Amino acid sequence: DAGVIQSPRHEVTEMGQEVTLRCKPISGHDYLFWYRQTMMRGLELLIYFNNNVPIDDSGMPEDRFSAKMPNASFSTLKIQPSEPRDSAVYFCASSPRDRARELFFGEGSRLTVL
Amino acid sequence: QKEVEQNSGPLSVPEGAIASLNCTYSDRGSQSFFWYRQYSGKSPELIMFIYSNGDKEDGRFTAQLNKASQYVSLLIRDSQPSDSATYLCAVRDKLIFGTGTRLQVFP
Repeated sequence: DAGVIQSPRHEVTEMGQEVTLRCKPISGHDYLFWYRQTMMRGLELLIYFNNNVPIDDSGMPEDRFSAKMPNASFSTLKIQPSEPRDSAVYFCASSPRDRARELFFGEGSRLTVL
Repeated sequence: QKEVEQNSGPLSVPEGAIASLNCTYSDRGSQSFFWYRQYSGKSPELIMFIYSNGDKEDGRFTAQLNKASQYVSLLIRDSQPSDSATYLCAVRDKLIFGTGTRLQVFP
């Protein structure tokens, strides 16, 4: 079975550029989560969706960050404009309805903003 | 105070020993907890979860929960070098993770 698929795996960009990270959850999973991981702050929940609807976006750091889930098989996390402090590994995770909150993580997207 | 606290380590144990990883949480209303393992450069993977006071065993792993003390632990018996990783404690109902404890098992 295919797991959670994220792209790109690595992104290097310059400050001020727009960054779009993509995620395909496991088929049949009703929940999708975006996390950010840094050495200093660990794994931080940014936002999560249930059946494509955003449920809690209180972890989104500021208006430069936005996330969408147009259908059950695709989600994006966009940063515009990017800043060096956004450098981190961004993980997407999904979970099934009957085991909600048991997270299955993608491989992550490592973002470096110069 | 952080909601979930873990000693960052590294915790170094010899092969075959018991590794004990600890986690405290601040919200007394938290109900259930995950333990995830994360190898360097990889994504976290679920080891086990626990929601009742006491012990829960799965193979070489035992999770322990004490809600009165707001304390969760993970014991790894017969530690192997392949267990060397960062172990993340998480409050399941809040989806909040600790920063993890790095475990090193040396031959």
